[in-house]
Amino acid sequence: SQTIHQWPATLVQPVGSPLSLECTVEGTSNPNLYWYRQAAGRGLQLLFYSVGIGQISSEVPQNLSASRPQDRQFILSSKKLLLSDSGFYLCAWSGDSPNTGELFFGEGSRLTVL
Amino acid sequence: AQSVTQLDSHVSVSEGTPVLLRCNYSSSYSPSLFWYVQHPNKGLQLLLKYTSAATLVKGINGFEAEFKKSETSFHLTKPSAHMSDAAEYFCVVIRGGTYKYIFGTGTRLKVLA
Repeated sequence: SQTIHQWPATLVQPVGSPLSLECTVEGTSNPNLYWYRQAAGRGLQLLFYSVGIGQISSEVPQNLSASRPQDRQFILSSKKLLLSDSGFYLCAWSGDSPNTGELFFGEGSRLTVL
Repeated sequence: AQSVTQLDSHVSVSEGTPVLLRCNYSSSYSPSLFWYVQHPNKGLQLLLKYTSAATLVKGINGFEAEFKKSETSFHLTKPSAHMSDAAEYFCVVIRGGTYKYIFGTGTRLKVLA
C-alpha cells in the first residue's frame, strides 16, 4: 500500500533562518506531488506541484522554493523565513492520471516563525 | 475557470441530527469533485468523490453527496451526526486539463452533545 511521510511535524524558527521540509512517498511510482499551505482559519493554498523529477510548477510568488531530486521525494525550502511563512504545510500526492484521482495527504508540518 | 464556494464557514448541529454542508462549484465542463475532512492538526482524508458516474455518491462514515448539475451544487450530507464528525470539511474541484486541485475555504462542523 502507498504511504506518505512528511517531517518534521513541528518547527519553530527565527525570522531570517532557512527552512527545509521533506516529503517522501512509498508504494507508488511517478506520483504527482504537491505542497500546500494552510494559514490559521483559511483554506489550502497550492504552493508547488510536480509531475516528474526536476519538474516544478510554482503557483504563488514567494520566498519559498521546491525541489524534487528523486521520483518520490519532494522538498520545500526557504533561504530566509518571513513571519508570514508561519502556517501548516501539507504534502500530498496523486496518481499519474489527472482529473479523476484523489489526493493523498501527509500528516502536515506546523511551522512557527518568530 | 473552475472554482468552489463553501457557503458556510461554521455549522453547528446536535448529536443525532442531520448534517448539511453546502458547496457550489463553477466549471466550464463536467468537473471532478471531492469532499475531504480534516481533524485538528492532521492531514486531510478523502470522504468521497464524484467523477461523472452516479450523481449520488456514498462515502466513508455515513456521508454522501449529490451532484446537481442544474444547481451547480455538490452538498455533503449525513443523516445523523456523531461527536467524532466534528472537524473541518473541504470541497474540492480539479481544474480541467491540469493537475491542480482547487480547495474551498472550508466549513468547520461543530457537534453538540
